[in-house]
Amino acid sequence: KAGVTQTPRYLIKTRGQQVTLSCSPISGHRSVSWYQQTPGQGLQFLFEYFSETQRNKGNFPGRFSGRQFSNSRSEMNVSTLELGDSALYLCASSLEDTPWTGELFFGEGSRLTVL
Amino acid sequence: QKEVEQNSGPLSVPEGAIASLNCTYSDRVSQSFFWYRQYSGKSPELIMSIYSNGDKEDGRFTAQLNKASQYVSLLIRDSQPSDSATYLCAVSGYALNFGKGTSLLVTP
Repeated sequence: KAGVTQTPRYLIKTRGQQVTLSCSPISGHRSVSWYQQTPGQGLQFLFEYFSETQRNKGNFPGRFSGRQFSNSRSEMNVSTLELGDSALYLCASSLEDTPWTGELFFGEGSRLTVL
Repeated sequence: QKEVEQNSGPLSVPEGAIASLNCTYSDRVSQSFFWYRQYSGKSPELIMSIYSNGDKEDGRFTAQLNKASQYVSLLIRDSQPSDSATYLCAVSGYALNFGKGTSLLVTP
């Protein structure tokens, strides 16, 4: 059974650019969550999608957005990149329909460097 | 912002000893509690979940939950060098909130 797949794994952007990250959840999982991980702040919640609807959103500026498609695949977009956006972006999928009641399966992450 | 607090460590224990990892949380309505392990350069993986007060054992791991004290802990018995990793406490609320993790080093 394939795990959570994130692409691209590594990318380098410059300030002001935008970036789109992709996540394919485990087959059958309808909940997809996104987290930003940095050494200083740890794992911070970005948003969670279920059946193409954003159910929860973390405390990030509007430059951070996401969506989920009918096949449960999800994308997140960061516009007008800032140096502080450099981080590991982790996607996680869950089999549970009720948020935060079961295991999150994480992908390997997309490491973004903003120069 | 709901807080999940962990001692960052590093916590160093000799091989074969018991490692004790602690976590406190601020959201009194939290219902689900998890411990994830993250090896350096890897993504987090679930090792324990606990939903009610008391102890839950799974092999060498025991999770303990005290909702009145808003406290979750993880005990690792017979610690092995392969247990060396960062352990993340996660608590449900509006989101699944993670602590910053405790770094554990098990020395041979």
